[in-house]
Amino acid sequence: DQQVKQNSPSLSVQEGRISILNCDYTNSMFDYFLWYKKYPAEGPTFLISISSIKDKNEDGRFTVFLNKSAKHLSLHIVPSQPGDSAVYFCAASDTGANSKLTFGKGITLSVRP
Amino acid sequence: DVKVTQSSRYLVKRTGEKVFLECVQDMDHENMFWYRQDPGLGLRLIYFSYDVKMKEKGDIPEGYSVSREKKERFSLILESASTNQTSMYLCATTHNTGRGYGYTFGSGTRLTVV
Repeated sequence: DQQVKQNSPSLSVQEGRISILNCDYTNSMFDYFLWYKKYPAEGPTFLISISSIKDKNEDGRFTVFLNKSAKHLSLHIVPSQPGDSAVYFCAASDTGANSKLTFGKGITLSVRP
Repeated sequence: DVKVTQSSRYLVKRTGEKVFLECVQDMDHENMFWYRQDPGLGLRLIYFSYDVKMKEKGDIPEGYSVSREKKERFSLILESASTNQTSMYLCATTHNTGRGYGYTFGSGTRLTVV
């Protein structure tokens, strides 16, 4: 049973526009959420996180929104750049920020110049 | 910056071989994790450890074991490699990034079992 779902396998966006990556979860015990970015042949890199006590966290071009009632979070990238082209993983923890994570399957973002 | 080093980027092993994947972190962190990444399946947790000599099974521990004799080193062991263990293996440690807690991953080991 997949507890973290990224239902769209890919997304293509024009450079300069907004990219919106969605993630749904089923475990109501999840209390910490993260986004990771991965280039081929490299390990994932941490992008941004959000605690369940918040509904928004912003860091530069990246903003994560959390809707607990809908069990949904999204990552907004504005403006999108060609270097943002990568696989993005949503992840969640039910035991706090410093613990094991459950990952989604990932979404491949392509930003067209 | 936190550094997580995985000893090999690419490995090719034969079915039935015993395989050791090594991971070292340089920041004295307690928590270390082993994941595998497969296309269409995302990252799946194999084993993790919150301290020396301590280990916990993740979601897919079958066919694997781990060793944590020193805090900085967490080894993943494939007792008898099989072709379905061909994958990208990722080691990670958690820490406060300054922008919230998150993992720092190693560069990964792409293991092919033939």
